[in-house]
Amino acid sequence: GQNIDQPTEMTATEGAIVQINCTYQTSGFNGLFWYQQHAGEAPTFLSYNVLDGLEEKGRFSSFLSRSKGYSYLLLKELQMKDSASYLCAVLNDYKLSFGAGTTVTVRA
Amino acid sequence: DSGVTQTPKHLITATGQRVTLRCSPRSGDLSVYWYQQSLDQGLQFLIQYYNGEERAKGNILERFSAQQFPDLHSELNLSSLELGDSALYFCASSLASGGNNEQFFGPGTRLTVL
Repeated sequence: GQNIDQPTEMTATEGAIVQINCTYQTSGFNGLFWYQQHAGEAPTFLSYNVLDGLEEKGRFSSFLSRSKGYSYLLLKELQMKDSASYLCAVLNDYKLSFGAGTTVTVRA
Repeated sequence: DSGVTQTPKHLITATGQRVTLRCSPRSGDLSVYWYQQSLDQGLQFLIQYYNGEERAKGNILERFSAQQFPDLHSELNLSSLELGDSALYFCASSLASGGNNEQFFGPGTRLTVL
């Protein structure tokens, strides 16, 4: 089975940094994705990690440790528009399993 | 705009009925995925097609079926609808299958079963 855990909610101030952790226990692993989803809208791709280490993409970075079954998404210089749900998803044999998502609220 | 289109945007129907949701992938994408998102279940993978063939199956009920046509568009059929089937249904597409193939999501179809 697939077990993907991430915090339910996080709150941060505009301009700050927030780190969203994701731990997973899955029967197989072919990569880990992070998606952003605004309420009522489609998820949009943020990052993909398949090897250990940090992937940086502008204000967003994602880290993976396969041996620990752990990933995090780092959001820097938070903006109000970053208020959304962030979904961690593990790819296993063509199937993408999503965590329940972390709702990030950015306050002025 | 991801380039993936879904119709209809909203659908309201009654229990016991059957509906068909339609998805057109991005131009050039061969893989189509269907997901169900309800408030209490999060985003659940239902099924994937690649170039017309079923590639992977997730938590799809037997009352649900899907297919991908030669022009690569896909349809998800939901029958004997129950109140619990009310959800947002997303279609996504990717160029190929597996690996780092980014999935592009359509805007979704909101299904309400009364």
